[in-house]
Amino acid sequence: DIQMTQSPSSLSASVGDRVTITCRASQGISNYLAWYQQKPGKVPKLLIYAASTLQSGVPSRFSGSGSGTEFTLTISSLQPEDVATYYCQKYNSAPRAFGPGTKVDIK
Amino acid sequence: EVQLVESGGGLVQPGGSLRLSCSASGFTFSRYGMHWVRQAPGKGLEYVSAISSNGGSTYYADSVKGRFTISRDNSKNTLYLQMSSLRAEDTAVYYCVKDRGYGDSLDAFDIWGQGTMVTVSS
Repeated sequence: DIQMTQSPSSLSASVGDRVTITCRASQGISNYLAWYQQKPGKVPKLLIYAASTLQSGVPSRFSGSGSGTEFTLTISSLQPEDVATYYCQKYNSAPRAFGPGTKVDIK
Repeated sequence: EVQLVESGGGLVQPGGSLRLSCSASGFTFSRYGMHWVRQAPGKGLEYVSAISSNGGSTYYADSVKGRFTISRDNSKNTLYLQMSSLRAEDTAVYYCVKDRGYGDSLDAFDIWGQGTMVTVSS
């Protein structure tokens, strides 16, 4: 099975900072990559699919890029409401595995 | 409004069984692949099981294979997860999730239920 990793596992940044999270797949997955946001005590929410397509209603400060084995999620200007754990997921084949998550909080 | 509502969670002893249900509304349930994802307390998301739109194809994570059975009743817009031989490590919130695209396409999960908690303990 393809393994998903994320870095860093956690980060602390100031409001307005640019934040980047990296997700790597152990084998190429083309652009079959999604990003989810899970706020504390809440249900995960789809942010980005097909590596770079923003889900409807998601603020434009979120963006995704990458293809193959390396992907990034960028928050262009971190806001207090962005405190959450972010997960990547590959969906090119079963199992549609998730990365271990990156916890983002405000410094 | 597109909605998934899980039920059936609870406290069960090790070795016991439980059946989770997920009632779908607001979309044509029979056109979408469906999945179960779980999250142990304080841990990340774990992909558990999948079923195709017509129920003809299923997938199980190694951690639950042979113990869990996924099924669906398209006439009732309901997804199920029959869990048996439960272990302490199955303790988690179980989410019912929907494929973003229809027709069993390979896609992300756009709708998540609120989750149902399963606790396996004596």
